[in-house]
Amino acid sequence: GENVEQHPSTLSVQEGDSAVIKCTYSDSASNYFPWYKQELGKGPQLIIDIRSNVGEKKDQRIAVTLNKTAKHFSLHITETQPEDSAVYFCAARVDYKLSFGAGTTVTVRA
Amino acid sequence: NAGVTQTPKFRILKIGQSMTLQCTQDMNHNYMYWYRQDPGMGLKLIYYSVGAGITDKGEVPNGYNVSRSTTEDFPLRLELAAPSQTSVYFCASSYEAQAYEQYFGPGTRLTVT
Repeated sequence: GENVEQHPSTLSVQEGDSAVIKCTYSDSASNYFPWYKQELGKGPQLIIDIRSNVGEKKDQRIAVTLNKTAKHFSLHITETQPEDSAVYFCAARVDYKLSFGAGTTVTVRA
Repeated sequence: NAGVTQTPKFRILKIGQSMTLQCTQDMNHNYMYWYRQDPGMGLKLIYYSVGAGITDKGEVPNGYNVSRSTTEDFPLRLELAAPSQTSVYFCASSYEAQAYEQYFGPGTRLTVT
């Protein structure tokens, strides 16, 4: 099955700096790559996604890049704010099913 | 729309007991999923359903059962609970025909002692 690896597991950044989280996947049939944000005690919420026919997507301070050849994709958060502190998960989709990375705990220091 | 709702929010079970985790969505989504989340780990797919009457195993189905008699409901049954089933369980749904986004419920925290 699909195997998704996510790095780093924890990330501490100064408010206003950028944060980058990287994921790799194993199954070349994966065609959809969402990123989820999970706040304490809540379910994951989609923040951005990208399909396999697109190399980059941006939504305000958040951007995602995809390199299909290398089988990796990344999340970029610019101008980080305290409310960006959360756990972020990447995922890859094959045959209706999502496989998730282990998560990155992001802490934004004021 | 309430979205995806799950009950109960918390539950403590004794080893060997059984229970059903309830999941309901009011978005008319055809696909529904059950995941478990262990500390420091990502979500693992337990079972999923592509429509009423159709279910299939995910990555970690052992010890669980599901049914899908209606579009709205997708209950998860634990038989003979074991400590290894201590986890947070999330239900999700999606409307695959238009978008792949999965909408998650708030989760059920289950402890088996």
